[in-house]
Amino acid sequence: EPEVTQTPSHQVTQMGQEVILRCVPISNHLYFYWYRQILGQKVEFLVSFYNNEISEKSEIFDDQFSVERPDGSNFTLKIRSTKLEDSAMYFCASRVAPFSTDTQYFGPGTRLTVL
Amino acid sequence: LAKTTQPISMDSYEGQEVNITCSHNNIATNDYITWYQQFPSQGPRFIIQGYKTKVTNEVASLFIPADRKSSTLSLPRVSLSDTAVYYCLVGTGNQFYFGTGTSLTVIP
Repeated sequence: EPEVTQTPSHQVTQMGQEVILRCVPISNHLYFYWYRQILGQKVEFLVSFYNNEISEKSEIFDDQFSVERPDGSNFTLKIRSTKLEDSAMYFCASRVAPFSTDTQYFGPGTRLTVL
Repeated sequence: LAKTTQPISMDSYEGQEVNITCSHNNIATNDYITWYQQFPSQGPRFIIQGYKTKVTNEVASLFIPADRKSSTLSLPRVSLSDTAVYYCLVGTGNQFYFGTGTSLTVIP
């Protein structure tokens, strides 16, 4: 069964450093998402992406964040200057199309630890 | 954007049926209701989705009343491996918001 993959599984970085989290969505999917989950809290929507541009973003997704689909398979989330509060699990998701009946499939996540 | 409200936690004995209700009072006409399961340190996993009335698949049933302001996920005969957090999502298109989820603990 096709699945969303994410790398790395765990990233440790120093405050102020840039990090890039990588995702490979399911191959025929066109819509991509990033979510984050701070330890013990709910999953929070960050951004949705289609046709090489952002479709929607939440208030969490400020200027420190950016997303990119650099090639036909990868979808990345960049945090330009990490803060302690960016420590969280980051989940990528993809779906075929943004119709209500299309399911989002989530990756296993990247645990980001900012020291 | 529709918000959801669920009980924070539930306990159930193994083999029992579990019903988790989600409230979504301001659901929009085009919104579907989707339930996900999440184990610790894993991504959410799709369980079931519906628009109205009842939907059933191999793992769960989803009951949605006519006004669609709530929905109930029903898990038949739960096992220890069903211990997880269950999220109800309401949305369409490009934005989805998870509620706080319901932490289900199955007791032997």
